[in-house]
Amino acid sequence: DGGITQSPKYLFRKEGQNVTLSCEQNLNHDAMYWYRQDPGQGLRLIYYSQIVNDFQKGDIAEGYSVSREKKESFPLTVTSAQKNPTAFYLCASSTGQGAAGELFFGEGSRLTVL
Amino acid sequence: AQSVSQHNHHVILSEAASLELGCNYSYGGTVNLFWYVQYPGQHLQLLLKYFSGDPLVKGIKGFEAEFIKSKFSFNLRKPSVQWSDTAEYFCAVKAGNTGKLIFGQGTTLQVKP
Repeated sequence: DGGITQSPKYLFRKEGQNVTLSCEQNLNHDAMYWYRQDPGQGLRLIYYSQIVNDFQKGDIAEGYSVSREKKESFPLTVTSAQKNPTAFYLCASSTGQGAAGELFFGEGSRLTVL
Repeated sequence: AQSVSQHNHHVILSEAASLELGCNYSYGGTVNLFWYVQYPGQHLQLLLKYFSGDPLVKGIKGFEAEFIKSKFSFNLRKPSVQWSDTAEYFCAVKAGNTGKLIFGQGTTLQVKP
């Protein structure tokens, strides 16, 4: 089945450690996105990529890093510089055609910092 | 910078009541507008979208939304809600031809049987 796979579903991290969240899509979509979902704050954009080897910062990029070496993959690294990393992280992809592309979401990864 | 505001954070309705969820955005140029829904324990999924043409758009499950450009609004409506509409609803805006999709804070809808 075509879709977006995020892993791991649950992750625990000690303070001071970096952690990488995986996002893979087999929809042949050009654009990929990372959002952070916190209660009462909706989804906030961390990074997005419209094409391979290119990505842009979203509204809350500080403390995060990404790479887009392959069309199918857009991993997110939560670094120790992120002050409040405990959250639910959502990856999405889109055809990216024009400005009307619908986003398709993964199931999310819940990160807890101990 | 573009932003999206949803006025109602938590709405409680009885079955068969009418629903209207407000959404306003700030951006002066061309926009594409979306409503997404997240049912308990499920993925976010698209409810409806507007990108051009008729400002009244119809989505799945009897939902509709009206784009009023002069008011920078894209309110979601449903004439008669069902218990199965209990979910969180997100308005989202994509400005111009950027790849950036910005979401509102979300509205939790609880429908009482």
